[in-house]
Amino acid sequence: GQQVMQIPQYQHVQEGEDFTTYCNSSTTLSNIQWYKQRPGGHPVFLIQLVKSGEVKKQKRLTFQFGEAKKNSSLHITATQTTDVGTYFCAARWYNNNDMRFGAGTRLTVKP
Amino acid sequence: DAGVTQSPTHLIKTRGQHVTLRCSPISGHKSVSWYQQVLGQGPQFIFQYYEKEERGRGNFPDRFSARQFPNYSSELNVNALLLGDSALYLCASSLLLAGGWYEQYFGPGTRLTVT
Repeated sequence: GQQVMQIPQYQHVQEGEDFTTYCNSSTTLSNIQWYKQRPGGHPVFLIQLVKSGEVKKQKRLTFQFGEAKKNSSLHITATQTTDVGTYFCAARWYNNNDMRFGAGTRLTVKP
Repeated sequence: DAGVTQSPTHLIKTRGQHVTLRCSPISGHKSVSWYQQVLGQGPQFIFQYYEKEERGRGNFPDRFSARQFPNYSSELNVNALLLGDSALYLCASSLLLAGGWYEQYFGPGTRLTVT
């Protein structure tokens, strides 16, 4: 079935370093959303990307949707300890209403 | 405004039993989705309801069922519980706009343990 692959599974960075997580689908996506889940918490919506080649920024976070709408990335510039958590992409395809989450990238930041 | 609320917070059940989980969406949100999240994994889509109708169903057995009430609250029912059903069950509400989903707001979840 349709699924979205997310890498890396874990990322440990020094505070101030950059961080990127990637999501890939073998088939064209309708849209993709990004969520952050803090340890012990629930997913919190960050952004939705719909258009081919779309780029959105939220302060230090940059979200991209590939031209073919098969991949997406989340980039954090100059990480802070408050960025700690697991980042998930959640993808939707054109032929159904399912929303499939990636396995997540767990980010830890060393002060 | 209150966020998405779920009850109960925690639940312990025995194999073979039945469980009902409840969710109240944010006021004005007509869409409710249910997810199962096993520790260390991403949420797995179970159901989506909009205006009391099922709009999407994930790859879960028929032991899982749900419904949405006129006030847009929702219940998730799981019959004949298995040990593998132990997980965090998340409810999310959203404003369903034409052309696709909008942002989802997740509740705190119900932690179900099956022994």
